[in-house]
Amino acid sequence: EIVLTQSPGTLSLSPGERATLSCRASQSVISSYLAWYQQKPGQAPRLLIYGASSRATGIPDRFSGSGSGTDFTLTISRLEPEDFAVYYCHQYGNSPGTFGQGTKVEIK
Amino acid sequence: EVQLVESGGGLVQPGGSLRLSCAASGFTFNTYWMHWVRQAPGKGLVWVSHINSDGSSTNYADSVKGRFTISRDNAKNTLYLQMNSLRSEDTAVYYCARNGSRGGFDPWGQGTLVTVSS
Repeated sequence: EIVLTQSPGTLSLSPGERATLSCRASQSVISSYLAWYQQKPGQAPRLLIYGASSRATGIPDRFSGSGSGTDFTLTISRLEPEDFAVYYCHQYGNSPGTFGQGTKVEIK
Repeated sequence: EVQLVESGGGLVQPGGSLRLSCAASGFTFNTYWMHWVRQAPGKGLVWVSHINSDGSSTNYADSVKGRFTISRDNAKNTLYLQMNSLRSEDTAVYYCARNGSRGGFDPWGQGTLVTVSS
């Protein structure tokens, strides 16, 4: 199975700053079938990005995804107070689908 | 509004059984693959199982293969997860999720907590 490694584990930033989250796969992700989710405490995950770079419906354009092959990035251009949460990457091109361990974006 | 609502979680002893349900509304249920994903307390997300749109094909994580069974009733717009021979390591919040129209899982239900303990 494909192992996804997210870095850093925790990102301490202030509102208005730029956040850059990394997701590295142990082997190439088929057809860039990679998604990013946001999860807040006590809530279900919410889809942000699919296909490595396409924003899901209703997601603000401050969220962007990039990458291919084994290296992917989620960028939040200017952090809003509601963006402080845990973010997971997910590859769904190879079975079984797998998730990264998560990156927590916390208020500095 | 597209909505998924899980039910059926609770406290069960090791070796016991539980059946989770996921009621779907707001979309044409019988045209989507569906998934179960779990999250142990304080941990990350782990895919458990999926089923295709007509229920003819299923797949499982190795950790649950032979113990869990996914199924669906398209007439009732409901997804199920039958969990047998439960172990303490199965303790988690269980989410159902729809295969996204263009990728990923979207949306997710609110989750139901399964606790396996004596």
